[in-house]
Amino acid sequence: EPEVTQTPSHQVTQMGQEVILRCVPISNHLYFYWYRQILGQKVEFLVSFYNNEISEKSEIFDDQFSVERPDGSNFTLKIRSTKLEDSAMYFCASSEGRDNQPQHFGDGTRLSIL
Amino acid sequence: KQEVTQIPAALSVPEGENLVLNCSFTDSAIYNLQWFRQDPGKGLTSLLLIQSSQREQTSGRLNASLDKSSGRSTLYIAASQPGDSATYLCAVPPPSNTGKLIFGQGTTLQVKP
Repeated sequence: EPEVTQTPSHQVTQMGQEVILRCVPISNHLYFYWYRQILGQKVEFLVSFYNNEISEKSEIFDDQFSVERPDGSNFTLKIRSTKLEDSAMYFCASSEGRDNQPQHFGDGTRLSIL
Repeated sequence: KQEVTQIPAALSVPEGENLVLNCSFTDSAIYNLQWFRQDPGKGLTSLLLIQSSQREQTSGRLNASLDKSSGRSTLYIAASQPGDSATYLCAVPPPSNTGKLIFGQGTTLQVKP
């Protein structure tokens, strides 16, 4: 069964450094998402992406964050200057459509900021 | 603002028992509701999606129901097994249906052999 894949599984970075999290969505999916989950807290929406542009972003997704679909398969989340509070599990998801289509999630990247 | 709540936060049952997990949401104008399973250190696995026009969805031993007017959904697991042990999350899109999902905090289920 097709799945969403994320790399790396764990990223350790010094505060202030840039980090890029990578995702390969399911191939025929058109909608892409990033979520994060701080340890012990709810899964939170960050950003949705469709037709090569951001559809919606949350208050968390400030100027330090950016997303890109550099080619036909990859979907990346960049954090320009990481902060301690960016430490979390970051999940990529994709769906075939927006309405009544399930979102499929990757296994996540655990980001640890030192 | 849509809020999603799941009670209880944790549940422990003996193997073979039938059980119900609860999910409630504050704004009944939802397009659908999705149930997920999350194993420790893993991503979310989609279990069931119920559209707003549906009352129930079934997949194997799982049955999800939706009552929009009361702002509730339940996930029924029949004949529970130790392999069902995981955290179960429910999520809804906001009334604007922009695609994003709003999650509950999850119910962590332990099924004891």
